[in-house]
Amino acid sequence: SYVLTQPPSVSVSPGQTVSITCSGNRLGHKYACWYQQKPGQSPVLVIYEDTKRPSGIPERFSGSNSGNTATLTISGTQAMDEADYYCQAWDSSNYVFGTGTKVTVL
Amino acid sequence: EVQLVESGGGLVQPGGSLRLSCAASGFSLSSHWMSWVRQAPGKGLEWVANIKQDGSERNYVDSVKGRFTLSRDNAKNSLYMQMDGLRAEDTAVYYCARERVPMILGTDFDYWGQGTPVTVSS
Repeated sequence: SYVLTQPPSVSVSPGQTVSITCSGNRLGHKYACWYQQKPGQSPVLVIYEDTKRPSGIPERFSGSNSGNTATLTISGTQAMDEADYYCQAWDSSNYVFGTGTKVTVL
Repeated sequence: EVQLVESGGGLVQPGGSLRLSCAASGFSLSSHWMSWVRQAPGKGLEWVANIKQDGSERNYVDSVKGRFTLSRDNAKNSLYMQMDGLRAEDTAVYYCARERVPMILGTDFDYWGQGTPVTVSS
């Protein structure tokens, strides 16, 4: 089965830039998306189709996808961005989520 | 405003059954594939299953095949998941989620419900 691997955790200082990677076999040949999940809340779509932001998502969130790696970048990180982030793709009639990354804003 | 509201979760013994429901509003349920996603306590997201707009196709993750069954009633704007043969490893919060692009399979989820907890324990 298809596997998407993310680093378990990353930390960032307020105002700085943080990137979260998502690795999967030939992921660049698929669409990747990203969700933000805060404690006790449902996930929120922050990036879809590799690079697009849904309405209401701040411009500081951006995405890319090439080769075997998709990347979510948060520029000018704010305290409110502290959350778990999950990538997701579609493969062989299954949706697959990444292992998740906890972003800590120090 | 799009809303998804799950219900039906609870405590059940191993081997037991539960039927989850998802009430949709603010959009035409008949236009979208719909999915269930679960999250075990302290763990990540796991896609469970989805169902086509007209109910004619379903996909399931291997771990629930033969035990979980999806159905929908577009006239009632509702989605259902019958869960039989429940195991301890099925313990999770279960979310109903809308697949974003109408009529298209394999995209992403733009709206999620608040989730309903399922605990499988004796």
